[in-house]
Amino acid sequence: ILNVEQSPQSLHVQEGDSTNFTCSFPSSNFYALHWYRWETAKSPEALFVMTLNGDEKKKGRISATLNTKEGYSYLYIKGSQPEDSATYLCAFNSNSGYALNFGKGTSLLVTP
Amino acid sequence: NAGVTQTPKFQVLKTGQSMTLQCAQDMNHNSMYWYRQDPGMGLRLIYYSASEGTTDKGEVPNGYNVSRLNKREFSLRLESAAPSQTSVYFCASRGGTGSPYEQYFGPGTRLTVT
Repeated sequence: ILNVEQSPQSLHVQEGDSTNFTCSFPSSNFYALHWYRWETAKSPEALFVMTLNGDEKKKGRISATLNTKEGYSYLYIKGSQPEDSATYLCAFNSNSGYALNFGKGTSLLVTP
Repeated sequence: NAGVTQTPKFQVLKTGQSMTLQCAQDMNHNSMYWYRQDPGMGLRLIYYSASEGTTDKGEVPNGYNVSRLNKREFSLRLESAAPSQTSVYFCASRGGTGSPYEQYFGPGTRLTVT
């Protein structure tokens, strides 16, 4: 079992605030780091898959960075909207297998 | 193109009963996965199948068996259900062998064992 930690566990922000959360993962045997967005009563949906140290990905107001040498990734949301409310999961893929190891997620609530 | 489908959506079992959760994908993906989701525990991998004909244990395999029936279908069986298996079960698939592709998840099966 590979340890993937996410912080904070939960976050409550006001509409328009920018926010960020952290995923830390083992820095050895790295293959890929995934971010998923999971709305209540739905299935997780992929946001980003990152493979290279220094990778930055962006989708609308959401972006992510990757540091494989120190084993962390940040997810940023600029100008949060109520529809951004969801749990954000990161998952680590080592180079020794096909399984993803998920963190427990950061639960984001954005209120108007 | 339905993606990943799961049946049933809901199920209530009594302790000791058996059942099979079905999962199918129409994206020609090689790898398929079964997870359970419990409050405060995140997604935990039960079993996975890297390719047709192979299956491997994940983090929490006890009490479960799987079958990779063909490339499309991957079933999860509970031989003798226990209340500790009350959970939401997600099936997922992933394309490519040894590639960092994203996983696609099914809608989930909510199982209650009384």
